[in-house]
Formats: sequence, C-alpha cells, structure tokens
Amino acid sequence: AQTVTQSQPEMSVQEAETVTLSCTYDTSESDYYLFWYKQPPSRQMILVIRQEAYKQQNATENRFSVNFQKAAKSFSLKISDSQLGDAAMYFCAYTAMNRDDKIIFGKGTRLHILP
Amino acid sequence: DVKVTQSSRYLVKRTGEKVFLECVQDMDHENMFWYRQDPGLGLRLIYFSYDVKMKEKGDIPEGYSVSREKKERFSLILESASTNQTSMYLCASRAGRYYGYTFGSGTRLTVV
Repeated sequence: AQTVTQSQPEMSVQEAETVTLSCTYDTSESDYYLFWYKQPPSRQMILVIRQEAYKQQNATENRFSVNFQKAAKSFSLKISDSQLGDAAMYFCAYTAMNRDDKIIFGKGTRLHILP
Repeated sequence: DVKVTQSSRYLVKRTGEKVFLECVQDMDHENMFWYRQDPGLGLRLIYFSYDVKMKEKGDIPEGYSVSREKKERFSLILESASTNQTSMYLCASRAGRYYGYTFGSGTRLTVV
C-alpha cells in the first residue's frame, strides 16, 4: 500500500529565511503525481505545488520549489524568503496516475514563521 | 475558480442524532471525496464517489454513509452520531488526477 511520511510534525523559521519540509513516500507505481498542500489557520486547504513523477525537472512556483528524488522516493518542499503568511499546516500528498482516484496524505508539518 | 461549498462551518450535535454534512461543487467535477482531519492523524478518507449514485468506501467508512443524487452534491451522513466522530470534516472535488483536489472550508463537528 502507498504511504506518505512527513517526519517533522513542527518546524519554525525566521522571517525572510529559507526552510525545507521533508516528505518521503512509498509506492510500487512508476507513474504518479505528488503535491504539497497548505492549510492556513483559516482552514481552507489549497494546492501549493505539483510534481509529475515522469518529469525530472523540479517544479517551482514563485518562492516554493521542490526537490524530487524519484529513486529515493523523496519529495521535499523549499520555501524561500519566508513570510508571515506562510505560517500553516503543510501536507505532502500522492496519487497514482493509473489507478484509483484517491489522494494519500501525510500527517502534516506545522510551520511557524518567527518575526 | 472552482468552488467547493460546505454548508456549515461549525456544528454541535447530540449523541445518537442523525447528522447530514452537505458539500456542493460548481465545476461539474466527476470525483468527490470526504475526509476527516484529526490532530496527529492527518487526513483520512471516509468515502468517495466517481459519479452520480456511485460511491466507494475509503479507509474509515464505519459509522458513515454517503449520498450522491446529483453530480454537484455529495452528502456525508452520520447515521447515529457518537463522540468519537467529533472532528473536522473536509469535502473535496477533482476534475482529474493531475489537478489535485479543490477543498471546501471544512465543517468542525462536535458531538456531545
């Protein structure tokens, strides 16, 4: 069965600094998608960034980028120039490309931004 | 933008009550999902649906049922609410695997 593991329940970073959130996953599939979701204190979960497993190039969205290591089954999220609005719960997630439709989530990392 | 609307942000119900949580999406998505979110446990899938009148059990379906009579609406039903069903409930819909989910704002349910 596929699993997603986030080993850091909480992290803190100084405003304007860079932080990396870790995620590992386990799957026997070769084609899949990986996601990072953000859940601010207001609770609306939003998609931050997406990575297709067949793409070697790491995805980037403004200050957010990933380090995707397919062989190691690792998918970390880097946030550059951290801002107070980045404070949230971050969830790493996985879905197979060719199988059933559900997304599997990690347990989340709570990120605190220190002013 | 796709909108997923959950009818209540907060609900307080009594043990044994039948509870309906409503979710509506406005972008003709085929797939809809119900998760519950608990501290330290992350998101756990309760039920999902590929299409009208279709439903599939997720990882924790016990004590829940669902209804999807129309494509845009996916209801979660707690047949007889219990205190261990106190949780945050998140509804989501999806156009296809590539797009990930669009989530509703969540319903915080407290069963007393």
